[in-house]
Amino acid sequence: EPEVTQTPSHQVTQMGQEVILRCVPISNHLYFYWYRQILGQKVEFLVSFYNNEISEKSEIFDDQFSVERPDGSNFTLKIRSTKLEDSAMYFCASSEGLRYEQYFGPGTRLTVT
Amino acid sequence: AQTVTQSQPEMSVQEAETVTLSCTYDTSESDYYLFWYKQPPSRQMILVIRQEAYKQQNATENRFSVNFQKAAKSFSLKISDSQLGDAAMYFCAYRKGTGNQFYFGTGTSLTVIP
Repeated sequence: EPEVTQTPSHQVTQMGQEVILRCVPISNHLYFYWYRQILGQKVEFLVSFYNNEISEKSEIFDDQFSVERPDGSNFTLKIRSTKLEDSAMYFCASSEGLRYEQYFGPGTRLTVT
Repeated sequence: AQTVTQSQPEMSVQEAETVTLSCTYDTSESDYYLFWYKQPPSRQMILVIRQEAYKQQNATENRFSVNFQKAAKSFSLKISDSQLGDAAMYFCAYRKGTGNQFYFGTGTSLTVIP
């Protein structure tokens, strides 16, 4: 069964550095998403992406964040100038369409030191 | 604003028994979806069951069923004949009918006792 994959599974970075989290959505899916979960807190929506542009974003998704689909398979989340509070699990998801089920990846644990 | 509340951080159930996980939500929308996702340890979230708000009939998927009380804004998950593989974190989630973003609860950690 097709799955969403994410790399790396764990990323450690120093405060102020830039990180890129990578996701490979399911191949025939058209919508892509990023969520994050700070330890002990809720899973929070960051952004959705469709047709090569952001379709919806939350207040969390400020200028520090950007997303890109650089080729036909990858979907990336870039976090510039990381802060301690960016430490979280970041989940990628994809869906066939707007009202369809979202399939989640296993997550990337980001630790900012 | 949409909020989802899961008031049970942890639950346990004996194998083969039935357990109900609670979820309430708040919304002013009439078109929305509700979901239960399961996250086993170190694994990705997978969809257990979904309910369209316009459907009065409660969704059922094998041993999993929901009790959707629209007026009370309640969406509980019942797991019948619990199995060891059901042990996981369970998240309740809400999505507007025309929206992209999910709103998740804080999760309920379910332990299945052999």
